[in-house]
Amino acid sequence: AQKITQTQPGMFVQEKEAVTLDCTYDTSDPSYGLFWYKQPSSGEMIFLIYQGSYDQQNATEGRYSLNFQKARKSANLVISASQLGDSAMYFCAMREGVSGNTGKLIFGQGTTLQVKP
Amino acid sequence: NAGVTQTPKFQVLKTGQSMTLQCAQDMNHNSMYWYRQDPGMGLRLIYYSASEGTTDKGEVPNGYNVSRLNKREFSLRLESAAPSQTSVYFCASSTGTVNTEAFFGQGTRLTVV
Repeated sequence: AQKITQTQPGMFVQEKEAVTLDCTYDTSDPSYGLFWYKQPSSGEMIFLIYQGSYDQQNATEGRYSLNFQKARKSANLVISASQLGDSAMYFCAMREGVSGNTGKLIFGQGTTLQVKP
Repeated sequence: NAGVTQTPKFQVLKTGQSMTLQCAQDMNHNSMYWYRQDPGMGLRLIYYSASEGTTDKGEVPNGYNVSRLNKREFSLRLESAAPSQTSVYFCASSTGTVNTEAFFGQGTRLTVV
């Protein structure tokens, strides 16, 4: 069964430093997608970055990159040069793909990141 | 461009009352989802609809029913609300393919007293 685990309930990082948020997943489907979302205190869900299971390179989007280690089933989010506005909750999510594009999207428990000035 | 619209934004119910949360998307998406968010639990999938005319249970379906009224609309019904259903509810939609992100509504904060 599909499962996503985020083991860090809370993290602190100094402004301008890099931080890694952990995400491990479990699936028997060879085709899947991994997503990271940001949820600021205002509550909206903001899509950050996507990694496909067949992608050869790690995804990057500006200051966000995804450290994808397929054999270890991990998809960690790296935020470089942290800013105060990065303080938020971050969710890892996964969608399996082989079974007819069902689109079922499941989320981890989330990690709250606080950036210190 | 409205995206995903949820109504209402806030609701207080008494135990045993019923209500329907409405969700509509204007992006011609096939898949729609209902999640609940509780502290420390992340977002848990209640029900989803892979395409118009189909619905499937997610991780926590008990106490809820859904209707995919048409391609645009996906409603969530609480037939007899319980305090354990106090939560923030999110509706989302996507094309449904493995490589496309989901777009979320603004959420409904529901309190059952």
